[in-house]
Amino acid sequence: EPEVTQTPSHQVTQMGQEVILRCVPISNHLYFYWYRQILGQKVEFLVSFYNNEISEKSEIFDDQFSVERPDGSNFTLKIRSTKLEDSAMYFCASSEETKNTEAFFGQGTRLTVV
Amino acid sequence: DAKTTQPTSMDCAEGRAANLPCNHSTISGNEYVYWYRQIHSQGPQYIIHGLKNNETNEMASLIITEDRKSSTLILPHATLRDTAVYYCIAFGAHGSSNTGKLIFGQGTTLQVKP
Repeated sequence: EPEVTQTPSHQVTQMGQEVILRCVPISNHLYFYWYRQILGQKVEFLVSFYNNEISEKSEIFDDQFSVERPDGSNFTLKIRSTKLEDSAMYFCASSEETKNTEAFFGQGTRLTVV
Repeated sequence: DAKTTQPTSMDCAEGRAANLPCNHSTISGNEYVYWYRQIHSQGPQYIIHGLKNNETNEMASLIITEDRKSSTLILPHATLRDTAVYYCIAFGAHGSSNTGKLIFGQGTTLQVKP
């Protein structure tokens, strides 16, 4: 069964450092997403991406965040200058369409900012 | 997107049916009811979705009331591996369906017991 893969599974970084979280969505999917989940809290939407541009972003997704699809397979989330409160699980997801279809989620990257 | 209300937690005996309720009294005519689950901080996993009619797949059944104000997810023979947080999401209003954004609540923590 096709799956969304994320790397690394765990990333530890120092506050103020830049991190890039990587995702390989399912190959025929056109819509890509990032979500995050702070420990013990809800899964929160960060950004959706379609046709090489952001289609929607949340208030969390400020200027410190950016997304990119650098080639035909990867989808990345960059945090320019990490803060302690960026520590969370980050989930990538993809879907074929946005209506009447399911989103497939990766297993997540646990980001720890120290 | 319509707000959904779910019980915080439920228990179920292994081998028995698990019936997880969800209220979505403000759901609009073009919003689907989606169910996802999250097993121990893994990425959310799609289960099933429906609009008006009851739906069944290999994982579960979804029963939607005629007025569409509530629904029930049924896991017919719960196993220990079904222990997870189950999310009911009303999805499909123009804004979120255009971008595919999913709004997760707190969900129901289902504990399947031996």
